Amino acid sequence: GAVVSQHPSWVICKSGTSVKIECRSLDFQATTMFWYRQFPKQSLMLMATSNEGSKATYEQGVEKDKFLINHASLTLSTLTVTSAHPEDSSFYICSATDSPGYNEQFFGPGTRLTVL
Amino acid sequence: AQRVTQPEKLLSVFKGAPVELKCNYSYSGSPELFWYVQYSRQRLQLLLRHISRESIKGFTADLNKGETSFHLKKPFAQEEDSAMYYCALKTGGYNKLIFGAGTRLAVHP
Repeated sequence: GAVVSQHPSWVICKSGTSVKIECRSLDFQATTMFWYRQFPKQSLMLMATSNEGSKATYEQGVEKDKFLINHASLTLSTLTVTSAHPEDSSFYICSATDSPGYNEQFFGPGTRLTVL
Repeated sequence: AQRVTQPEKLLSVFKGAPVELKCNYSYSGSPELFWYVQYSRQRLQLLLRHISRESIKGFTADLNKGETSFHLKKPFAQEEDSAMYYCALKTGGYNKLIFGAGTRLAVHP
């Protein structure tokens, strides 16, 4: 149980285009989802916290207009990288938890974004 | 400031040797700490959490508030323990996690 999927697993796009990444909880309802960014050989950096039905809370330094997050249902959150540039190339990982008080986050496999 | 420090990027040991992956934290509240592991080509997964005081795959970790540490230990490393290990601190009301930089454990035969 507690499986989180991401789609696509990798994507290549041209500079200036927008890319949408989906994060789904397959066998549980995710009240909270998190989006992380991981550069090569670096740690996961939290970008934003997303609660179903409400606006995402972004971490300091993360542009909310560039990284649009939508958590429209209890099993789906999307991250849209708008007007992508090469510096947005990274590994994007989502995680989900089924309760605000529950300690464990279940992680997706990640999506590698390459912007040409 | 909330921070998790893993001072070693790489820890290389031989099979059967003891292992200690260091983790120090900085947090003004009551800390909740975790160790996550990422095996090659796999997703991040929870290894253990300090509140459970459990041993998973032979690994243990004790929270030392005096030293603000949560080091991960295993008495006899196995080759299958080779992976990336991340220490994480829970902050805030929504399970927000702050990760350390990670330590790659390489266990050689």
